[in-house]
Amino acid sequence: DIVLTQSPATLSVTPGDSVSLSCRASQSISNNLHWYQQKSHESPRLLIKYASQSISGIPSRFSGSGSGTDFTLSITSVETEDFGMYFCQQSNSWPWPFGGGTKLEI
Amino acid sequence: EVQLVESGGDLVKPGGSLKLSCAASGFTFSSYGMSWVRQTPDKRLEWVATISTGGSYTYYPDSVKGRFTISRDNAKNTLYLQMSSLKSEDTAMYYCARLSGVDYFDYWGQGTTLTVSS
Repeated sequence: DIVLTQSPATLSVTPGDSVSLSCRASQSISNNLHWYQQKSHESPRLLIKYASQSISGIPSRFSGSGSGTDFTLSITSVETEDFGMYFCQQSNSWPWPFGGGTKLEI
Repeated sequence: EVQLVESGGDLVKPGGSLKLSCAASGFTFSSYGMSWVRQTPDKRLEWVATISTGGSYTYYPDSVKGRFTISRDNAKNTLYLQMSSLKSEDTAMYYCARLSGVDYFDYWGQGTTLTVSS
């Protein structure tokens, strides 16, 4: 089974900073990698599909990159509403694991 | 507006059974694959089950295979998850999620909580 490893586990930032979150797959998954945001007491929300494709309604400060085994979610100029958990998920092969998540905190 | 509303969560003893439901609205339910995803108390997400549009195909990870059954009633726009032989490690918030294509979850419900404890 494919394992997704996210790093760092926690990222402490100040509003206005630009940040990069990493997701590494245990084997190549092409671009079949998707990112979700989860704010406190809310359900997850899709942010990026297929590694780098934007989602309607998601602010342009969120972007994704990568292919194969290494992927990055970038947030340009973090805003206070961006704090929460971020998860990656692969769909290259069953089962579909999620990464362990990165907590973005102030 | 797409809405997914889960129900049925409860406190259940180990070895017990429970059935979750997810009422869908705001889209053509029969045109989308659907899934259940759970979030454990330590906040980890785990995909639990997926069902095809017509219900003919279902997929499970090994952790629940043989114990959980996903089903759907397209006439009632409702998704189900029948769970049996429940274990403490099944304790989680269970989300209903719509599948876009066969790859990612584009809408999620608010979740329903299952606690397995004696």
